Amino acid sequence: GENVEQHPSTLSVQEGDSAVIKCTYSDSASNYFPWYKQELGKGPQLIIDIRSNVGEKKDQRIAVTLNKTAKHFSLHITETQPEDSAVYFCAASKDNYGQNFVFGPGTRLSVLP
Amino acid sequence: NAGVTQTPKFQVLKTGQSMTLQCAQDMNHEYMSWYRQDPGMGLRLIHYSVGAGITDQGEVPNGYNVSRSTTEDFPLRLLSAAPSQTSVYFCASSKPGHGSGSLHFGNGTRLTVT
Repeated sequence: GENVEQHPSTLSVQEGDSAVIKCTYSDSASNYFPWYKQELGKGPQLIIDIRSNVGEKKDQRIAVTLNKTAKHFSLHITETQPEDSAVYFCAASKDNYGQNFVFGPGTRLSVLP
Repeated sequence: NAGVTQTPKFQVLKTGQSMTLQCAQDMNHEYMSWYRQDPGMGLRLIHYSVGAGITDQGEVPNGYNVSRSTTEDFPLRLLSAAPSQTSVYFCASSKPGHGSGSLHFGNGTRLTVT
């Protein structure tokens, strides 16, 4: 089955710097790759996603890139702010409904003021 | 707009006890699922449902039962709790389709089994 690895497990950056989190997946049939942000005591919330027919997607300070050949995708956050501090999860999906995700283990991002 | 509502928020059980974790959504989503979250392991799929009357197993289904009698509700039952089921449980829903793959999560139930 699908296996999703995520690195680093923890990441500390200074406010205003960029943060990059990388994920690799094993199943070449996976075609949908969302990123979720989880704040303390809450459920994960979708922040950006990308499908396999696209190489890059941006939404303000957040971008995701996908390399299908190498089977990896990355989350890029620019001009980080303290409110970006959270746990970030990547996921991959390939089933008919595109809904049964396999999640990475998560990255705890700390943005230091 | 309530979204996905999970109850209770916290629960402590003794080994062997049973309980039901409740999940309800008001977005008319066809797809619902249960995940458990353990430190360093991300979220793992327990059971899911693609519509009322239809359920299927995920990655870690043992020890859990589900049913889906209505579109809105998807309860998760623990028949005989074990310490290995200590975890945070999340219910999620979505409207399947090529352009709408995102999951909407509830705020979780933290379960401790002693």
